[in-house]
Order: sequence, then structure tokens, then C-alpha cells
Amino acid sequence: GAVVSQHPSRVICKSGTSVKIECRSLDFQATTMFWYRQFPKQSLMLMATSNEGSKATYEQGVEKDKFLINHASLTLSTLTVTSAHPEDSSFYICSASTSGRSDTQYFGPGTRLTVL
Amino acid sequence: GENVEQHPSTLSVQEGDSAVIKCTYSDSASNYFPWYKQELGKGPQLIIDIRSNVGEKKDQRIAVTLNKTAKHFSLHITETQPEDSAVYFCAASIGLNSGYALNFGKGTSLLVTP
Repeated sequence: GAVVSQHPSRVICKSGTSVKIECRSLDFQATTMFWYRQFPKQSLMLMATSNEGSKATYEQGVEKDKFLINHASLTLSTLTVTSAHPEDSSFYICSASTSGRSDTQYFGPGTRLTVL
Repeated sequence: GENVEQHPSTLSVQEGDSAVIKCTYSDSASNYFPWYKQELGKGPQLIIDIRSNVGEKKDQRIAVTLNKTAKHFSLHITETQPEDSAVYFCAASIGLNSGYALNFGKGTSLLVTP
């Protein structure tokens, strides 16, 4: 149980284009989803928290107009990196939690974004 | 805000030996402490967690201890195997007041040599 998937697993795009990453909870309803980015050999950095049907809460320093988050259903959240630039290249990971155990986060497999 | 320190940053042990990773946290309101294992190119996998109302929890070869007074918690892996090699992250959360956000340590790269 508690499986979270992400799609795509890796994406390469040109500078200036937008990229959408999907995060799905496969066997539970995710009341809250979290988006992280991780640079090589570093820890996870929380970007934003989203609750189903509400606007996402962004961490300080994260541009909400650049990283658009939509949590339209209890099983799906999307992160869109708009006008991507090489410095946006990173490993993006989502996690999800349920209302029954709100503090327990289950992570997806991650998406490797490379912006040329 | 919460600050989580994790040590050591790298740890090398021989197969069969024990491995211990330690974390300290700064916010006494923290009440949830998970440990994650991350293999190269993959997402973190929850391996064990503990809440502030208990001092120790064990699951087969893995155990976690919590000292609320000293604000530190540790991961213990016994009878290590090469497949235990990975990066391990500790985290702490103060729960609802922070939107259940996790504050992560910087990670420990564990290498188990045959």
C-alpha cells in the first residue's frame, strides 16, 4: 500500500519551454501533496505544499508563477515548470499523505528534469 | 524554524556489522521523526518512523531511538547487508502547525562492503 507514482521519470527540454510533471497516489486518497527538488548529493528541499482543492503554499524563495502546482483531485497533483532554464535542471520528487496519518509522507520515484 | 543536523555524512561498515546514524533537532515541538532510505536515482523510501510518545521502535534489523530531553534520535541497522548501501535521511515535523512539513537532515551515505 501507499504507492505514489510520477510521470515522466525523466524529461529533457529546451530552454524557454514548459514542462508538466504528474504525481499520483495509486492506492490511497492524498489529502496533502508535497513537492521537493533535490540537487546532486544534497538533501530534499521543500518547494510547496498543496491540499486538494486549495491553492498551494509555497516555501520562501520559490516562485509561484514559475512553479505552478495544481491539486485537482485526491489522487493527482501536477507541477508545471514554466519557461524552464538550465538552472531549473534538478530531480523533482513529490510525496503524499492521507488525512488518517497526515504526518506520514510517501514519496514518488522522482522526475529528472534536464533543461538544455 | 526547525533545524535538523545529521551525522555522519558518510559511513562505511563491513557486512554483518551494525551502523548507527544520529540526528538532532532544534524545535522541542517536533513530534514525528521518520527515516528514509534513498537509492541512486530513486525517490526516498520510508523505512521506519517514531512519534514523540515512545522512546524506541524496532522493525526486524532496523530500530530507531528517541531522546526528547536531549532532542536527538538515532537509526540503528544491525547485521548490515550490501543492499543496505544507500543514502539515509532523517527528518522531523512539528505536525499541523507547519502543515505537516518535514525538515530533513543532509543525509548519510552508507556503504556496506562484503
